[in-house]
Amino acid sequence: DSGVTQTPKHLITATGQRVTLRCSPRSGDLSVYWYQQSLDQGLQFLIQYYNGEERAKGNILERFSAQQFPDLHSELNLSSLELGDSALYFCASSASGGVNNEQFFGPGTRLTVL
Amino acid sequence: GQQLNQSPQSMFIQEGEDVSMNCTSSSIFNTWLWYKQDPGEGPVLLIALYKAGELTSNGRLTAQFGITRKDSFLNISASIPSDVGIYFCAGQPSPGQAGTALIFGKGTTLSVSS
Repeated sequence: DSGVTQTPKHLITATGQRVTLRCSPRSGDLSVYWYQQSLDQGLQFLIQYYNGEERAKGNILERFSAQQFPDLHSELNLSSLELGDSALYFCASSASGGVNNEQFFGPGTRLTVL
Repeated sequence: GQQLNQSPQSMFIQEGEDVSMNCTSSSIFNTWLWYKQDPGEGPVLLIALYKAGELTSNGRLTAQFGITRKDSFLNISASIPSDVGIYFCAGQPSPGQAGTALIFGKGTTLSVSS
């Protein structure tokens, strides 16, 4: 158990809908990262937050957004869903979000868009 | 963008054999991490490497950070059935547009027959 929690475990929805994925980092970790894992693209970085503020963006679509709350939990919002958004979404946390910082991954949310 | 080449893509071995896999990059990384992922689960951190030339062990696992900072390898000695899974290398480049996000290899799928 990494100490990172994610809910829900599974999510099935229809195209055009909007969903919210939730992540709670390990106790004491200030930085949260979101990654998407698909069969063809592998693990891809989406966005990073540190202590409530956006730190960096990766290949995140404009239809996707995220935020980190004062209690440090984070939510990833996916809207206008398309079939191609079906994937595993992982949250990872690290102590400071700086270099030489280990990232610990949650169990993931499997999103299926029908 | 930066890419990691991880090889081999898959391995089929007998229980008790040693395993070696590696990752190479076209650019320098500050940190190399090795993860193991079981089906439907999140990646689990196995070993973290922070200095060029560093050799680190975790039980039967040994990993090294290449001298050029562009490669890393992971060895598993005396494999057992529970070693089955997908092994990912991940590199952390110098902070830039993507902050301190990890770049992942495509993974090595390990199968162990008893």
